[in-house]
Amino acid sequence: EAGVVQSPRYKIIEKKQPVAFWCNPISGHNTLYWYRQNLGQGPELLIRYENEEAVDDSQLPKDRFSAERLKGVDSTLKIQPAELGDSAVYLCASKERGGGETQYFGPGTRLLVL
Amino acid sequence: AQSVAQPEDQVNVAEGNPLTVKCTYSVSGNPYLFWYVQYPNRGLQFLLKYITGDNLVKGSYGFEAEFNKSQTSFHLKKPSALVSDSALYFCAVRAFSGGYQKVTFGIGTKLQVIP
Repeated sequence: EAGVVQSPRYKIIEKKQPVAFWCNPISGHNTLYWYRQNLGQGPELLIRYENEEAVDDSQLPKDRFSAERLKGVDSTLKIQPAELGDSAVYLCASKERGGGETQYFGPGTRLLVL
Repeated sequence: AQSVAQPEDQVNVAEGNPLTVKCTYSVSGNPYLFWYVQYPNRGLQFLLKYITGDNLVKGSYGFEAEFNKSQTSFHLKKPSALVSDSALYFCAVRAFSGGYQKVTFGIGTKLQVIP
């Protein structure tokens, strides 16, 4: 079974430019998470989806970050415009409904904003 | 607000010796507790979890953890460390906070197993 797929794996952009990350969760997993992991820190939740509904976006900086999961499967996280402080690894995770609380993580997208 | 503390930035242990990676937490209500491992350039991999029941939980690769409610701890342990266990370990807690199911990760502990 394929794991959580994320692309791109690496992205380098200049500040003020837009950037988008894509995630395809494990097939059948209803819950999808986006996290940001700064260097030397643990992951911090940005947004959680149950199917196509964003049920917790309380920690998403909505002035520049947006996310969508239109068909309840894959998801896109966007930053516009990017700032230097957005440099981090963006992790996607998924979980099946009733799956015992275990999240499965993708490899992440490492973003560097210059 | 809920929080997770991993008091040690790094733990060094000789191969074959027992290892412990510490984690304490603070939540309102009953916690779900997790340990994940992160290898270089890899995503986090689930090791084990505590939801309810037996306080000693066993997970992948011979790891285990003990939930201690009175000490609000969930330390990760392994009886005999392998060099291949060298990685970054994250403790996480999930609980209700402000009407949401919140997941909070610790900052991670680097485990170095010395041959």
